[in-house]
Amino acid sequence: GESVGLHLPTLSVQEGDNSIINCAYSNSASDYFIWYKQESGKGPQFIIDIRSNMDKRQGQRVTVLLNKTVKHLSLQIAATQPGDSAVYFCAENTPPSNTGKLIFGQGTTLQVKP
Amino acid sequence: DAGVIQSPRHEVTEMGQEVTLRCKPISGHNSLFWYRQTMMRGLELLIYFNNNVPIDDSGMPEDRFSAKMPNASFSTLKIQPSEPRDSAVYFCASSRNQETQYFGPGTRLLVL
Repeated sequence: GESVGLHLPTLSVQEGDNSIINCAYSNSASDYFIWYKQESGKGPQFIIDIRSNMDKRQGQRVTVLLNKTVKHLSLQIAATQPGDSAVYFCAENTPPSNTGKLIFGQGTTLQVKP
Repeated sequence: DAGVIQSPRHEVTEMGQEVTLRCKPISGHNSLFWYRQTMMRGLELLIYFNNNVPIDDSGMPEDRFSAKMPNASFSTLKIQPSEPRDSAVYFCASSRNQETQYFGPGTRLLVL
């Protein structure tokens, strides 16, 4: 039968290429953003975060870019590896920011072709 | 650091039975979150606690669901009675000072 459920956008890249995963967030007052990686059968794993007073933050092989004007967040993965295959979620901290409550996006599936 | 610990990792039960999911947050973290993940609805926040006090339970589906946090190192999510539509992966996450949340491995629940 037909599969019913969320249709996550899928990004398919060649091993070694760079990946860019995009996210549009909902609340212009959000001041803290996080990217999570979820591998099959596991819980979401923290990758990198950024505060609203920054436009860019770099980690190991990953970079997060924040464009507050258009409420857009992106995750760049350099030299993508097979182990990067997973579902990636962006999350925003909704005001009041001291609640710790995060709003998660639907996720993007990254497939790395060897 | 042991990370967030959840038990059981898998649970299969029959409709109508009581189900109790357990979570031990990371030591020193003062916020705890319960999420449910399904193919249909994605990742949903059910309830969260700050300093052991429930802050927002607006995501709890209905009265069959309840959560407690008797102390800083333990929380439970209970479903009574369980129904097949409760089948999902339930995650617990914790954070310190309302910042980055760290997730546990999840409990896969199947209600027959």
